[in-house]
Amino acid sequence: NAGVMQNPRHLVRRRGQEARLRCSPMKGHSHVYWYRQLPEEGLKFMVYLQKENIIDESGMPKERFSAEFPKEGPSILRIQQVVRGDSAAYFCASSPGLAGPYEQYFGPGTRLTVT
Amino acid sequence: KNEVEQSPQNLTAQEGEFITINCSYSVGISALHWLQQHPGGGIVSLFMLSSGKKKHGRLIATINIQEKHSSLHITASHPRDSAVYICAVSFEGAQKLVFGQGTRLTINP
Repeated sequence: NAGVMQNPRHLVRRRGQEARLRCSPMKGHSHVYWYRQLPEEGLKFMVYLQKENIIDESGMPKERFSAEFPKEGPSILRIQQVVRGDSAAYFCASSPGLAGPYEQYFGPGTRLTVT
Repeated sequence: KNEVEQSPQNLTAQEGEFITINCSYSVGISALHWLQQHPGGGIVSLFMLSSGKKKHGRLIATINIQEKHSSLHITASHPRDSAVYICAVSFEGAQKLVFGQGTRLTINP
């Protein structure tokens, strides 16, 4: 009974490189949320997706960040040309469907360090 | 101004004490969530509630919709309860969560 899976758990990138963070939702869940936690700050919403569709991306930075949730495979959060300010913990959560509210189940997070 | 306010920000208590963490929010919500985060660790959902009261073991969560306020109580606190407790809400018409700043709880033996 696997929960929400995220990989990698830790990721180190040099400035200017790309970071790809993966999230596999719980079995039976079709909706994925990405949240970011900057050092010593609270969690902030980034993007909400269902398969092949972005429902709400109001929290995504306008440049360098993108997210997808393809028909097959995990959801991907992609950060291009990373900068030191992107260093944070990125959490993914999943829920069953669109009509809620539903409890959200969180993954263990990916801790991104930009050097 | 944050739409979700928690208090206190930090709380230190002795083992066995009764703990209360408060959360207030600004506008109508569809649900309120209490989450737990251990240092360097992941996030666990403790409760989701939209009215009344829920209890799980030593944890109790209450919500007053009219006053836009929720409390998380821990009875007979234990050092393993030491963690950051986070209140989050989903506002009406939205699924995304908006988070409070968190309350860092330390229970000393």
